Amino acid sequence: EDKVVQSPLSLVVHEGDTVTLNCSYEVTNFRSLLWYKQEKKAPTFLFMLTSSGIEKKSGRLSSILDKKELFSILNITATQTGDSAVYLCGSGNTGKLIFGQGTTLQVKP
Amino acid sequence: DSGVTQTPKHLITATGQRVTLRCSPRSGDLSVYWYQQSLDQGLQFLIQYYNGEERAKGNILERFSAQQFPDLHSELNLSSLELGDSALYFCASSVGLPAGGYTFGSGTRLTVV
Repeated sequence: EDKVVQSPLSLVVHEGDTVTLNCSYEVTNFRSLLWYKQEKKAPTFLFMLTSSGIEKKSGRLSSILDKKELFSILNITATQTGDSAVYLCGSGNTGKLIFGQGTTLQVKP
Repeated sequence: DSGVTQTPKHLITATGQRVTLRCSPRSGDLSVYWYQQSLDQGLQFLIQYYNGEERAKGNILERFSAQQFPDLHSELNLSSLELGDSALYFCASSVGLPAGGYTFGSGTRLTVV
């Protein structure tokens, strides 16, 4: 059965800290791994990683994919209170995305 | 605005009742996905439709059903509602297959009392 596991489930840091969120996956016919940020309602897209794109960066956020070990990490440097959210990792093939439980990040001033 | 429209935004109903949630995908997207998000379960995949046809099914209860219409909007029907069905229901859409990522709607908050 396909599954995605995220760790830690929750994290509390102070502004300026660097955090690393983890995602391991087991997906049949893997095609992509995606990271989303969910603040109040709808998850919003952050990154997509595939066999042809295993490292992505946008501002203070970056992500890598290790296809051999079947995991991905999301790094956030110089965290800000606005980074407080649930971060979702999803992995899929051609049928659907399976999501992990999410990591709840709280950034304190 | 993500372009994926879900209605209603909130719904309160009694146990045993039936409700219909509606989703209009982003313009040009052919695939629609339904997810259930409860506090202790995370985002659970329910079902996918592609251009009117069911494409993939997840842990969707027999009391739940969905369809996608010729204009590509989709409806999720929940019947014989139980307290445990209270959750946030998301619809997402994509151009084709999900490898390129989804766009999520803002969700329908269902409360069963």
